[in-house]
Amino acid sequence: GDSVTQMEGPVTLSEEAFLTINCTYTATGYPSLFWYVQYPGEGLQLLLKATKADDKGSNKGFEATYRKETTSFHLEKGSVQVSDSAVYFCALTRDSNYQLIWGAGTKLIIKP
Amino acid sequence: GAVVSQHPSRVICKSGTSVKIECRSLDFQATTMFWYRQFPKQSLMLMATSNEGSKATYEQGVEKDKFLINHASLTLSTLTVTSAHPEDSSFYICSARDGGVAEAFFGQGTRLTVV
Repeated sequence: GDSVTQMEGPVTLSEEAFLTINCTYTATGYPSLFWYVQYPGEGLQLLLKATKADDKGSNKGFEATYRKETTSFHLEKGSVQVSDSAVYFCALTRDSNYQLIWGAGTKLIIKP
Repeated sequence: GAVVSQHPSRVICKSGTSVKIECRSLDFQATTMFWYRQFPKQSLMLMATSNEGSKATYEQGVEKDKFLINHASLTLSTLTVTSAHPEDSSFYICSARDGGVAEAFFGQGTRLTVV
């Protein structure tokens, strides 16, 4: 069945460091891919998405490119801030009803 | 973005009792709502999908008689964990979607502890 695998955390970086959180997927057909973020004490928020191969989603300085050849959707940011500390989830849609298949989540800790 | 409110955020109950969790869409009509369960350090697992006015569709392995889902209006869905046991302790998250929008919005989650 469909699945999403993302790197285990926590990931600890210093402020202004470069961030990569790896995400790979297994799916039939052509899923849409998402990154969600959960800040401490808050609900999940959509960070960015891509709906077809080679699309790049971007938001708040974060980017991820839908790579069908490597079945990946790695999250990147050039210079992280303390406020980026959160848990990041990679996910894909299983169908048009927006049922999401989730990765395990990666906790990101940014130190000043 | 749209707001989904989930209550309570934390609940502790005794084994054998039932617990109800509410999920409300505050500023849009939620034609579809999803209930997820998250175990520590694991993915969110979809438990069921409900469309307003219809019976929920449960994922394989989820006991529908134990996890009662009601989606009686376009702004409210409830999950009732019946005869709760310690193994039901988990983090439960709802999300809601307006059928005309290709995005689902999430509640803050409910931490259930059964003692």
